[in-house]
Amino acid sequence: SAVISQKPSRDICQRGTSLTIQCQVDSQVTMMFWYRQQPGQSLTLIATANQGSEATYESGFVIDKFPISRPNLTFSTLTVSNMSPEDSSIYLCSFQAGVGNEQYFGPGTRLTVT
Amino acid sequence: AQRVTQPEKLLSVFKGAPVELKCNYSYSGSPELFWYVQYSRQRLQLLLRHISRESIKGFTADLNKGETSFHLKKPFAQEEDSAMYYCALPLMYSGGGADGLTFGKGTHLIIQP
Repeated sequence: SAVISQKPSRDICQRGTSLTIQCQVDSQVTMMFWYRQQPGQSLTLIATANQGSEATYESGFVIDKFPISRPNLTFSTLTVSNMSPEDSSIYLCSFQAGVGNEQYFGPGTRLTVT
Repeated sequence: AQRVTQPEKLLSVFKGAPVELKCNYSYSGSPELFWYVQYSRQRLQLLLRHISRESIKGFTADLNKGETSFHLKKPFAQEEDSAMYYCALPLMYSGGGADGLTFGKGTHLIIQP
């Protein structure tokens, strides 16, 4: 099965700055996604990263705050812009594979904004 | 609206006892459903998919359309089962029209020795 990795694994950032998280899959996949897991909470889908077109964002998430790139079928980035302490979360990328809609997740990036 | 409900935030059972983690969903048809598990300091991983009707690590889950439930069960709990468990439903089944998954809030399962 495909291997998915993320970097950085964690970071501590100052408010007002931006952080770009990278996600790499070791084989080509059609669907990639970005999720947020706030402290003590479940996962919430941020957006679907579409190769060759703009990402599709879920309600409550906007491109200006969370710009996403998907330059090819193995790579995606999520930028958390103009960060505030409320953005402190774990950010996870995933890809969809298999016969159904199951997804496979990266290890996550733990972001702390001070 | 809550699409996937896991009513128990924490469930503690003794080793060897049966385990049932509850999951209810909001959909009138036959959805796909998944159970994901996250062991301490490990990534979220797929445990079971409803469509496969499989048993993984002794866990099974049956879709009950009448009760709109997909409870996760294991007859004899082991200490290594201690983890966070999440029930998940593809967003396409909740009227969103989107891809991706919606997750329940998770149940922290603790197996006591």
